[in-house]
Amino acid sequence: NAGVTQTPKFRILKIGQSMTLQCAQDMNHNYMYWYRQDPGMGLKLIYYSVGAGITDKGEVPNGYNVSRSTTEDFPLRLELAAPSQTSVYFCASSLGTGVYYGYTFGSGTRLTVV
Amino acid sequence: AQTVTQSQPEMSVQEAETVTLSCTYDTSESDYYLFWYKQPPSRQMILVIRQEAYKQQNATENRFSVNFQKAAKSFSLKISDSQLGDAAMYFCAYRFTGNQFYFGTGTSLTVIP
Repeated sequence: NAGVTQTPKFRILKIGQSMTLQCAQDMNHNYMYWYRQDPGMGLKLIYYSVGAGITDKGEVPNGYNVSRSTTEDFPLRLELAAPSQTSVYFCASSLGTGVYYGYTFGSGTRLTVV
Repeated sequence: AQTVTQSQPEMSVQEAETVTLSCTYDTSESDYYLFWYKQPPSRQMILVIRQEAYKQQNATENRFSVNFQKAAKSFSLKISDSQLGDAAMYFCAYRFTGNQFYFGTGTSLTVIP
């Protein structure tokens, strides 16, 4: 029962470097999300996807890109990393968008930009 | 704007005692759900309990229960018979029809043996 798998768990980047955070789910969920969690703050939505080939911006999309070529995978791309992107990143998936549905979360990626 | 407020950054409770975590929210929607998520040191976000706004009866899951006051826009979490494994960050979250959850800033719960 893998659920939502995120890799890597930890990463240190230098300013200006790029990287991709991987997220995969095996529950056949159409809806997938990327959140960031800054210290002492709640989660903020970066991007989300309602199905393969369909993505949209959340509250804080600047500096990030996403793609969704398959139902299972939803990678998050950081271009030109900045210290402001130091955060913990969570991927989540949901069976539906009706108010009943909760999220299944991955275990997070702690990213530090130095 | 949808906002969720957790006014208690930190709480502590003696093992086997009861603790209540507070949450208030602001919305103009009539149909929505409220959630409590637990985040232990492993960082995994775990759903604890959820409440449908149209239901007057408070949700209960074993030792966890909520006090939902719709008119006051209040959604507190009560943990009974606290256990060491309950120590974690707890997030209150709100969702109406759509894709986004709105999270509070969290309450860090310490359980004292």
